[in-house]
Parts: sequence; C-alpha cells; structure tokens
Amino acid sequence: GDSVTQMEGPVTLSEEAFLTINCTYTATGYPSLFWYVQYPGEGLQLLLKATKADDKGSNKGFEATYRKETTSFHLEKGSVQVSDSAVYFCALSGSGNTGKLIFGQGTTLQVKP
Amino acid sequence: DAGVIQSPRHEVTEMGQEVTLRCKPISGHDYLFWYRQTMMRGLELLIYFNNNVPIDDSGMPEDRFSAKMPNASFSTLKIQPSEPRDSAVYFCASSPGKNIQYFGAGTRLSVL
Repeated sequence: GDSVTQMEGPVTLSEEAFLTINCTYTATGYPSLFWYVQYPGEGLQLLLKATKADDKGSNKGFEATYRKETTSFHLEKGSVQVSDSAVYFCALSGSGNTGKLIFGQGTTLQVKP
Repeated sequence: DAGVIQSPRHEVTEMGQEVTLRCKPISGHDYLFWYRQTMMRGLELLIYFNNNVPIDDSGMPEDRFSAKMPNASFSTLKIQPSEPRDSAVYFCASSPGKNIQYFGAGTRLSVL
C-alpha cells in the first residue's frame, strides 16, 4: 500500500543553519504531496504542497520539489530560526480522491540560538 | 471562520469511565477525520466521514471506540470504557476535498 518514510529525528540545528528533512514515498498513481508542521501544543497545519511531478511548493522560506524519478519530496530551508522548532510531517494523498492523507512518522526539529 | 473547534481541550478521567470528545468542523467541508497521536505510535487515523457517512473505520482500535456524525457541523468520538492506554492527544480535522486538511487544536486525554 501507499506509504511515506521520513528521516528520523530529532534534528538539532543552530540558528541560520541550512535545513533538509528527507521524505520518500511509495504510491500507485500520481499522488499530491504535502508538508505539514505542528508547533508545540497545536494541531497540524499545512506548510506547502505540490500536485504533480517537478512542482515546487514553497512557503515561509521552506521549499520542497516533487521528484517522481526518486519518489522524494525533501523539505529545505536556507536559514532556520528558533521559531521553526516544531514537528514536520510529510504526507501524500490517498488513492481514489478520498480526501484521506497518509502521513509519515514526523521529524522533530529543534533550533538553538 | 473560526477553524476546526474541539472540546474539551483537556480531559482527565479514571479508568472505566466514558469519555466523549467533540468536534465542530469548518462550515462547508465535506470530510471529517479523527486522529490519535502518541509518542510511541505517532499520528494514527482512526476514522473518517464523507458527507456525514463513515467511510473508513479500520483505524478504530477496538469496540470501545465509536464515532458519530449526526450532522454536517458536529461529530463525537466516544470511548467506553476508557483505559490508561487510551491516553493520547486526539485531533479532529476537516477538509473541503482536494486532500488539504485543517486540524483542530486537539484534546489531550489522560486516563488514570
């Protein structure tokens, strides 16, 4: 079945460092891909998305490119801030346009001043 | 819009008691999802509804869990009887389709 695999956390970085969180997926068909972020004590919120191969999603300085050839959707940011500390979830749309999302296990990012 | 509203935000109960979690989705959204989040198991989809009809309840852990959506603006997740291993954060999310989900702030459940 469809699945998402994220790099294990926690990821600890200093402020202004470059961030990469790896995400790979297995899916039949052509899913849409998403990154959600969960700040402490809150629910998940959509960070960015891409709906087809080679699309680049971007928001708040974060970017991810839908790579069909490597089945990947890695999240990047050029310079992280303490306020980016959160849990990041990669997700793909379930088959059949059901509205369902399949989430990865989440990667915790901790940014130190 | 106020977003997805969940109540209560925190619930502490004793083993064996009935627990009811509530969710008000965003108006106009056709899909509603219930998730459970724990450190050990991460984020798990329990059940989801489309137009108030349960579509997939394969994630419901056992018969002690039940969910209803009597109308488009309200859903409940009930645990009866509750057990300590049910302690978790429970999220409700709604979606207008196109796979984008909007999450509530969650209910933190502690079963003693």
